This record gives sequence, C-alpha cells and structure tokens, in this order.
Amino acid sequence: KQEVTQIPAALSVPEGENLVLNCSFTDSAIYNLQWFRQDPGKGLTSLLLIQSSQREQTSGRLNASLDKSSGRSTLYIAASQPGDSATYLCAVRQGGSEKLVFGKGMKLTVNP
Amino acid sequence: DARVTQTPRHKVTEMGQEVTMRCQPILGHNTVFWYRQTMMQGLELLAYFRNRAPLDDSGMPKDRFSAEMPDATLATLKIQPSEPRDSAVYFCASQRFRFDTEAFFGQGTRLTVV
Repeated sequence: KQEVTQIPAALSVPEGENLVLNCSFTDSAIYNLQWFRQDPGKGLTSLLLIQSSQREQTSGRLNASLDKSSGRSTLYIAASQPGDSATYLCAVRQGGSEKLVFGKGMKLTVNP
Repeated sequence: DARVTQTPRHKVTEMGQEVTMRCQPILGHNTVFWYRQTMMQGLELLAYFRNRAPLDDSGMPKDRFSAEMPDATLATLKIQPSEPRDSAVYFCASQRFRFDTEAFFGQGTRLTVV
C-alpha cells in the first residue's frame, strides 16, 4: 500500500527565505506526482504536476523535483513571501490507477 | 474560467438525517473523484467515476454512503443516515481521462453532523 509522508508537519520562516518542502513515498511505481496548495477553508489549488519520466518542473518561483527511484520529491520555493503561507500537499498517482494518494500536508507560515 | 463547483459549501445537520452533496465537474473531464478530508486522516479517496461509471468505491462505508453520476455534468454523494463521525470536508475533483493530466479540486462541502 502506497504511503506518502511529508515532514515536517509545519514550518515557520521569515520572509525572503528560500524553502525546500519534502515529500516521500513508499512505492516507486507511480505515474506522476502533483503538488497542491490549500488555503484555510478553501479547496486545493494545483501548483505543479511532474510526470514519472521527468526530473523537475518549474512555475514562477516554484520548482518541483522528482527522484522516483528513491521515492522522493521536493518543492522549492524561492524568495518566500507572506502570501505563500498555506498548507502544501503532495500526492502521487499510483501506477494502473487515476486515483491520488495524499500526504498529510505541511503548514507553511511566512512571517513579514 | 473552468472550475469544479460543489454545493452546498457548508451543511449542518442532525444525526440520522440524509445529506446530499453535489458536484459539477469541469466540462470535458470524464473522471470524477470524491475525497474526504479530516484532521486525523488527511485526504482519503471515497470513490471515483470514469465516463459516469463507478470504478472504485472501496473507500466508502457502503451501508450509509452512496455516490452516483446521473449525467456527465453532475456527481452526487449521499449519506443516509448521517453520523457525527461523518463530519469532515468533502471534496470533488475532476480530470481528463489520462493518467498524465492534473486533477482539479472544488472548494469542498464542510459537513457538520450534530
């Protein structure tokens, strides 16, 4: 059974720092991995989708990398801003299925 | 601006009552998911459909939960009878039928059963 872990569960940093968010998964037989952002009381917003054949994807200040063989992904946030404060979730799409298996998320607070 | 629409956004009901949650997937998306989010368990898949046919409902308590897609523009999740432990946020998501495409989520229905 696929398990997705995000450590730490929460992180508080001053504005301007470059951040690395970690995600690990136990079964490397995945199609892709998707990073989401969730604001309090809101739905999930897709940030980046990285296919199993890719090593990284970039969107603005965000960069996601994937090392399928070691079961790890990182989300890099450059020059963090207070508006980046949210919960970040990673999810893997298991081979042979469309369904996503989620980590518990990491709550990020960026202080002005 | 294409988005997944869920109604209602909030629902408070008494234990034993029937609850129906609705979802309108993005036009052209033929795969629809229902997830439940709680503090303890995080996001869990309840059921999903492809081309309106249920593919996997193993995450759903069968005795009280049911999910249907009456047509391509509407998915429903029903709880009957509801229990306090069903209190959670229920999310609908949709995607095109391809493994390599993104899933898009609705804003969720926050259910409180008292």
